[in-house]
Amino acid sequence: DAGITQSPRHKVTETGTPVTLRCHQTENHRYMYWYRQDPGHGLRLIHYSYGVKDTDKGEVSDGYSVSRSKTEDFLLTLESATSSQTSVYFCAISVDRGSYGYTFGSGTRLTVV
Amino acid sequence: GQNIDQPTEMTATEGAIVQINCTYQTSGFNGLFWYQQHAGEAPTFLSYNVLDGLEEKGRFSSFLSRSKGYSYLLLKELQMKDSASYLCAVRGSNTGFQKLVFGTGTRLLVSP
Repeated sequence: DAGITQSPRHKVTETGTPVTLRCHQTENHRYMYWYRQDPGHGLRLIHYSYGVKDTDKGEVSDGYSVSRSKTEDFLLTLESATSSQTSVYFCAISVDRGSYGYTFGSGTRLTVV
Repeated sequence: GQNIDQPTEMTATEGAIVQINCTYQTSGFNGLFWYQQHAGEAPTFLSYNVLDGLEEKGRFSSFLSRSKGYSYLLLKELQMKDSASYLCAVRGSNTGFQKLVFGTGTRLLVSP
């Protein structure tokens, strides 16, 4: 398949704890993205990366940080999880400008209790 | 900023044709995408339009009018497996970087 995996697939965590979600790709794509998906809001961009150690904020970045130390891995960290961060998180990759858009990972369902 | 509108929900009958509309207002435009997302799964790429006109791919077609900020996805010969959400996404050109903005999605229910 597309060669993008997310881990874990499901996680339940307590309010105030740090959480790290991992996205791993085997496609050697330059661009990687983290989105969250919530009912009524659609997919909203949290952070994105355009190369190793090159990252930038999206529209809903408060409370989140990212790191990309290798081309294949893009980590999303919730510094201190809150109930409002309960969501489904999708990682995506893209080659560059072109007609291919994004390829998405299978998603991580995170519940903060 | 960018704003993308599409209907929340639509229903149709197996074998019929359905058209899902998407209107957008963006600062710069460099392509419109349609994705399909089944419940509990990841979005998957359906179509891409960057020039005005119709792109056909099997049972699915997508149309774009840049002057009107309008696109539609046309699904023919509907099948039960087409029950899913359909996401419209626009890539702006002002950032110099490929970044998609998504609409909230249209949930399509196909009944027998």
